[in-house]
Amino acid sequence: QSALTQPPSASGSPGQTVTISCAGSISDVGAYNYVSWYQQHPGKAPKLLIFEVDKRPSGVPPRFSGSKSGHTASLTISWLQAEDEADYYCISYAGSNNLLFGGGTKLTVL
Amino acid sequence: QVQLQESGPGLVKPWETLSLTCAVSGYSVTSSYYWGWIRQPPGRGLEWIGIISQSGSTYYSPSLKSRATISLDTSKNQLSLNLTSMTAAYTAVYYCVASPNWYRFDHWGEGTLVTVSS
Repeated sequence: QSALTQPPSASGSPGQTVTISCAGSISDVGAYNYVSWYQQHPGKAPKLLIFEVDKRPSGVPPRFSGSKSGHTASLTISWLQAEDEADYYCISYAGSNNLLFGGGTKLTVL
Repeated sequence: QVQLQESGPGLVKPWETLSLTCAVSGYSVTSSYYWGWIRQPPGRGLEWIGIISQSGSTYYSPSLKSRATISLDTSKNQLSLNLTSMTAAYTAVYYCVASPNWYRFDHWGEGTLVTVSS
């Protein structure tokens, strides 16, 4: 199975809204509501932002939201802030006890 | 709060076996959590290695299944990773992870860099 497809880069100005996509297939993103998103700052471990497509762990601001349409999941960051500049990764269950990872998106806050 | 701390050799030679451990605090590895490993080559994305349940059921990435072994040491409250036939392509930061279910990763260790070089 191929990895999930994310755009390599995204950007936005403070206060704007940015959406990062995560494209899969009918067998993974399209089949299961088990998509999660992670934020990783340079030199740090990733942090869980969204799980099960649109759920936020406690402590994650509501500026971060997740959604899914067909076999593409999306992470939306509203009211963009300087500290949101980081790499973002999606992960999806792919059936048969397998997980697929996206290649990551580098978000730049202009 | 679950806390994870990886430890390992830092440098291994090609074709050697890598052994890493992850000390778990704040939670018992025998409780209803999943424990696993994810790696990240320098400058690149995340790659799933595998995961183990508190009952010992294991799930591995198809690309690494024949080389990876994950186990729990309940007496030390830690998990381990053995990865055989290391190559330069396996140079990466190795993260220990934990979660209430195995298709998401709530808790991460700080990671340990493993370099494969002769």
